[in-house]
This record gives sequence, C-alpha cells and structure tokens, in this order.
Amino acid sequence: EAGVAQSPRYKIIEKRQSVAFWCNPISGHATLYWYQQILGQGPKLLIQFQNNGVVDDSQLPKDRFSAERLKGVDSTLKIQPAKLEDSAVYLCASSPGDRGRNTEAFFGQGTRLTVV
Amino acid sequence: AQSVTQPDIHITVSEGASLELRCNYSYGATPYLFWYVQSPGQGLQLLLKYFSGDTLVQGIKGFEAEFKRSQSSFNQRKPSVHWSDAAEYFCAVAQLTGFQKLVFGTGTRLLVSP
Repeated sequence: EAGVAQSPRYKIIEKRQSVAFWCNPISGHATLYWYQQILGQGPKLLIQFQNNGVVDDSQLPKDRFSAERLKGVDSTLKIQPAKLEDSAVYLCASSPGDRGRNTEAFFGQGTRLTVV
Repeated sequence: AQSVTQPDIHITVSEGASLELRCNYSYGATPYLFWYVQSPGQGLQLLLKYFSGDTLVQGIKGFEAEFKRSQSSFNQRKPSVHWSDAAEYFCAVAQLTGFQKLVFGTGTRLLVSP
C-alpha cells in the first residue's frame, strides 16, 4: 500500500514570497490533515478535511494560509505571503476517517520550509 | 479541548537500559491515545495505539504502553533500549466521537549513550 506522498521535500523562499505544498493521501482515506511542526515543538493542526469539506481550520492563519482538497483526494496548502516564523516542517496525514472509528493517522515525510 | 503533556523534553539512557516515556492527557471522556516516533528528517511513524479494551498495549519495535484512566496517563516503556531507538517521541490524543482531531504533545527527545 502506497503511503502519504508529499512534495516538495525541501523549499527555501524569501519572506513575502508565496509557496505551495502538495499532498496525496492514501487511497480511500476520507480524512486529510495538514500539520505545522516548528523546530523543537510537536505538530500543530492547521486544517482538517473530511472528503472535500473542511471540519477544522481553527488554527489556520487565514490571512496568509489557504488550503483546498480537490475532489476529496489530494490537497494543496499555500502560504502567501510567507513570514520568517512560517519556517517549519509541514506534515500531511490521512486516515480512513469514519466518525469515531478507526482513526489511526498515517503521515507523509513532510516538507521542510525555510523562509529567509 | 483535549491536550497532551509530555513532561520530559530530553531523556538520555544507556544502551540496554530500560526506558519510560511519560504522557498525560486532558480530555473529558475516554480518548484514543497514540505514540508516534520521528527520526531526523522523517515523518511520524505510529508505534502503538489505545482505543479500548486491554489497558496494556503492545506496539512495534518492542514498545508497550499502559493506559491509566485514574492518572490520565499513557506512559510508554521499553525494557531494553537499542541505539537505533534514538529519536523524538510524540504522544497524541484524539476525541472518541465525531471527526477525529489528533492533538500532539511537545515531544520527548531520546538520546542513547553507548
């Protein structure tokens, strides 16, 4: 079974530039998550999709971050404009996603973003 | 809202020694509980999980964890640590009903000395 795929693995941009990350979840997984992991911290949930609908984006900085999940499959996360404090690893995860059942999440390898 | 506390930021153990990683959670009902491991430059790999039933759960790589409701804890143990176990370990909690929201602790970095 193929895992969660993310690209790119690494990205370096200047502040105020824009950047986009891509995630392809495990086939058939209804739930998709984007997490931000700042160095030395645990992952923080940015946004959670159930199929192609958003179920939680309470910690997404909506003035600069946006995310979409086309047709309930793969997803993109965009930052525009980037700030220095956005430097982090962005992790995508997916799970089968039935309500309250079998909610193990599988993670991709992440995209390491450096904003200079 | 659920939350997770991992009180130890760093732990150093000698190779072959036993290990315990602590995790306390805050949630109003019985949660789903997880331990993940992250090696440098890698994503998160699930070590073990608790959903219900037996409170002592076995995971991969020789790890086990015990759910103690009275202490709101889900501590992880390994009887004999190998050098390859050096990594960052994250405890996570998810709500039992509704759409799962997975909340992570801040992590414990394990160093293994020769």
